[in-house]
Amino acid sequence: EPEVTQTPSHQVTQMGQEVILRCVPISNHLYFYWYRQILGQKVEFLVSFYNNEISEKSEIFDDQFSVERPDGSNFTLKIRSTKLEDSAMYFCASRGDSGRSYEQYFGPGTRLTVT
Amino acid sequence: AQSVTQLGSHVSVSEGALVLLRCNYSSSVPPYLFWYVQYPNQGLQLLLKYTTGATLVKGINGFEAEFKKSETSFHLTKPSAHMSDAAEYFCAVILMMDSSYKLIFGSGTRLLVRP
Repeated sequence: EPEVTQTPSHQVTQMGQEVILRCVPISNHLYFYWYRQILGQKVEFLVSFYNNEISEKSEIFDDQFSVERPDGSNFTLKIRSTKLEDSAMYFCASRGDSGRSYEQYFGPGTRLTVT
Repeated sequence: AQSVTQLGSHVSVSEGALVLLRCNYSSSVPPYLFWYVQYPNQGLQLLLKYTTGATLVKGINGFEAEFKKSETSFHLTKPSAHMSDAAEYFCAVILMMDSSYKLIFGSGTRLLVRP
């Protein structure tokens, strides 16, 4: 069964450093998302991406964040200068475009720890 | 504002007992509704979804949920809890008017199953 993969599973970085979180969505999917979950809190939407551009972003997704689909398979989330409060689990998700398929498939997540 | 409320951050049941996890949503338009499960240190797995049609939907692992528009609810149930059901459960909605079809999550309910 196709699945969304994410690397790395755990990333530790120092405050102020840049990090890139990588995702490989399901191959025939067209819509891509990043969500985050701060420890003990709810899952929050960050950004959606379609047709090589951002379709929507949340208030959390400020100028420090960016997304890219550099090739036909990867979907990345970059945080330019990490802050302590960026420590969270980051989930990538993808969705197909077959009829009325609204189901999003999630990757296993990347745990980001900013020290 | 659209929101999802899950009543009870923790629910504890005995093995074999009924599981009832509550979810209410706030939306001015009919939403699409989802339940996701998160096992420890894992990603989000779709349990079931309601988009249109029959209001009682069945999902994986014996779970089901009923969409009640009059009560703006989508409670998750399972007749008989199993130890392996211990996990965190998230209710989520997609709003039809939202072109990005992003998921809005509730705060989650941790299900504990006692032997």
